[in-house]
Amino acid sequence: AQKITQTQPGMFVQEKEAVTLDCTYDTSDPSYGLFWYKQPSSGEMIFLIYQGSYDQQNATEGRYSLNFQKARKSANLVISASQLGDSAMYFCAMREPMFSGGYNKLIFGAGTRLAVHP
Amino acid sequence: DVKVTQSSRYLVKRTGEKVFLECVQDMDHENMFWYRQDPGLGLRLIYFSYDVKMKEKGDIPEGYSVSREKKERFSLILESASTNQTSMYLCASSLGFVGDGRPNTGELFFGEGSRLTVL
Repeated sequence: AQKITQTQPGMFVQEKEAVTLDCTYDTSDPSYGLFWYKQPSSGEMIFLIYQGSYDQQNATEGRYSLNFQKARKSANLVISASQLGDSAMYFCAMREPMFSGGYNKLIFGAGTRLAVHP
Repeated sequence: DVKVTQSSRYLVKRTGEKVFLECVQDMDHENMFWYRQDPGLGLRLIYFSYDVKMKEKGDIPEGYSVSREKKERFSLILESASTNQTSMYLCASSLGFVGDGRPNTGELFFGEGSRLTVL
């Protein structure tokens, strides 16, 4: 069965520094997608970045990049130049395959709470 | 701008009450989902629907039911609320199936969440 693991319950980083949030996944399907979402204290889930399993290059979106290591089954989120507004919960998620009952739904990790200190 | 709207941000109910959580999306998405979020457990899928009147159980369907009478609306029902259903409930929608010919990664679009307390 597919599984997402985030091993860091909490992280902190100094403002303006870079931080890496870890995510490993487990799937036997060759076609999958990986997502990162941010959840501020207000509760809404904000989509950050997406990586498809067949994408040749690591995804980047502004200060966010996804360090995709397919052989290691890891999809770590790198936030460069951290800002105070980056303090939030971060969730890694994987899209399940459409067939075998997956219906393309997302499964989520337990999340990592990031605190950015001034 | 795409939007998923959940009817209530905060609810307080008594044990045994019937609870309705409503979710409406304006993106003409085929898929709709109800997740439950608890500290240390991430988001767990309760039910989802890939078409009107269709529903599929997720990972933790016990104690819940759903209704999807119209494409834009997906309701979560707690027939008899219990204290262990105190949680944050998140509704989401997504566009069809990845690979159905439309640009689609399977991204979920979320509502703002409904925080339910059962006393």
